[in-house]
Amino acid sequence: AQSVTQLDSQVPVFEEAPVELRCNYSSSVSVYLFWYVQYPNQGLQLLLKYLSGSTLVKGINGFEAEFNKSQTSFHLRKPSVHISDTAEYFCAVSSPDSWGKLQFGAGTQVVVTP
Amino acid sequence: ETGVTQSPTHLIKTRGQQVTLRCSSQSGHNTVSWYQQALGQGPQFIFQYYREEENGRGNFPPRFSGLQFPNYSSELNVNALELDDSALYLCASSRDRGSTGELFFGEGSRLTVL
Repeated sequence: AQSVTQLDSQVPVFEEAPVELRCNYSSSVSVYLFWYVQYPNQGLQLLLKYLSGSTLVKGINGFEAEFNKSQTSFHLRKPSVHISDTAEYFCAVSSPDSWGKLQFGAGTQVVVTP
Repeated sequence: ETGVTQSPTHLIKTRGQQVTLRCSSQSGHNTVSWYQQALGQGPQFIFQYYREEENGRGNFPPRFSGLQFPNYSSELNVNALELDDSALYLCASSRDRGSTGELFFGEGSRLTVL
């Protein structure tokens, strides 16, 4: 069984400041990790994914995440946020035997203010 | 290339009624996954259809059922609606059960059960 914990339910941040969203997972098998973003009244959009290879993953809109197997973490970072980054962010996990069957965390609401 | 479309976008039902939600998958995709997102929570996996066959199911009762058609569009049916079924229902399409590591989500159908 897999599970995902997003440690912060809401993260307020000023425009042009850095942001880090924390995600920890538990799994007894190999994992694939994802970050999705959900803007108000919209579906989810993939920001980035880790399937294998380099543990530092770069995604869209200037986001990046680092897979840390020893700490079972996959934290998302952006060095300088914009007002348009205000959204809900979801960390998700799946495994080789459960392609497309994502286990999502509860989400982190990012609110960017001027 | 058209994206994932869902209908209806909003609907209101009363307890005990039945509902059908529809999803048109993205061109070239043969897999559809359905998720339930309750207010303030992350999406929960309901089931996945691959080439018209159910390919995995989450922890949802049998009154949640689905279909996938030869053109890979899909329906989600919920019988005997309960108040807790109120949620955003998200459809996601992908290639080959999601093995490319990316799901493409529609904007969802928001169901309110009174």
